[in-house]
Amino acid sequence: QSVLTQTPSASGTPGQRVTISCSGSSSNIGSNTVNWYQQLPGTAPKLLIYNNNQRPSGVPDRFSGSKSGTSASLAISGLQSEDEADYYCAAWDDSLDGGIFGGGTKLTVL
Amino acid sequence: DVQLVQSGAEVKKSGESLKISCKGSGYSFTSYWIGWVRQMPGRGLEWMALIYPDDSSTAYNPSFRGQVTISADKSISTAYLQWSSLKASDTAMYYCARFGGPRFSNWYFDVWGRGTLVTVSS
Repeated sequence: QSVLTQTPSASGTPGQRVTISCSGSSSNIGSNTVNWYQQLPGTAPKLLIYNNNQRPSGVPDRFSGSKSGTSASLAISGLQSEDEADYYCAAWDDSLDGGIFGGGTKLTVL
Repeated sequence: DVQLVQSGAEVKKSGESLKISCKGSGYSFTSYWIGWVRQMPGRGLEWMALIYPDDSSTAYNPSFRGQVTISADKSISTAYLQWSSLKASDTAMYYCARFGGPRFSNWYFDVWGRGTLVTVSS
């Protein structure tokens, strides 16, 4: 069981806005920044959001991140079929003294 | 272009040793921590360990400490992950990735290798 909790699945139709949540604790999200990764089928993960809400160059502004207390969210607006992927949140954990990933959310575009 | 190029897929038997590699290019290899991430078949991502190639400082997930060894050769810009005695449960995809943040509290992996598939048969 992951220290960061994500709902296993989410879905939406093209054009919709979907939100994926990530719940942690004071030793990880509560005191460190959150990042998000997208993993398309059969490929390596790709950094989507870092420092809670920053997008690397090349990531569309349809993707946005936020953090409040010990929880974080990834929002995807204008959903597209190519957004169908697994999404992982991650953060440093001070108790573990290492990085941790959420269990992942499988996003289906209906 | 900044790249991490990983070694090819491996098929091994239980009890055998293995060392997989990750070569960095397009950036100052000694200025960034490099990490390894495990993904077992059909499962999520697991943070394994980090190494700072300049001085070989390391950080391990307690779940992996003693099970694997991370190392680096800065003269050839290459990081390694090795096992002394593989188990069937080590069957997984292993990714190396560059630590992009300024400090651990801002940790993120900004560049990823394509992965090395390790298959261990019993």
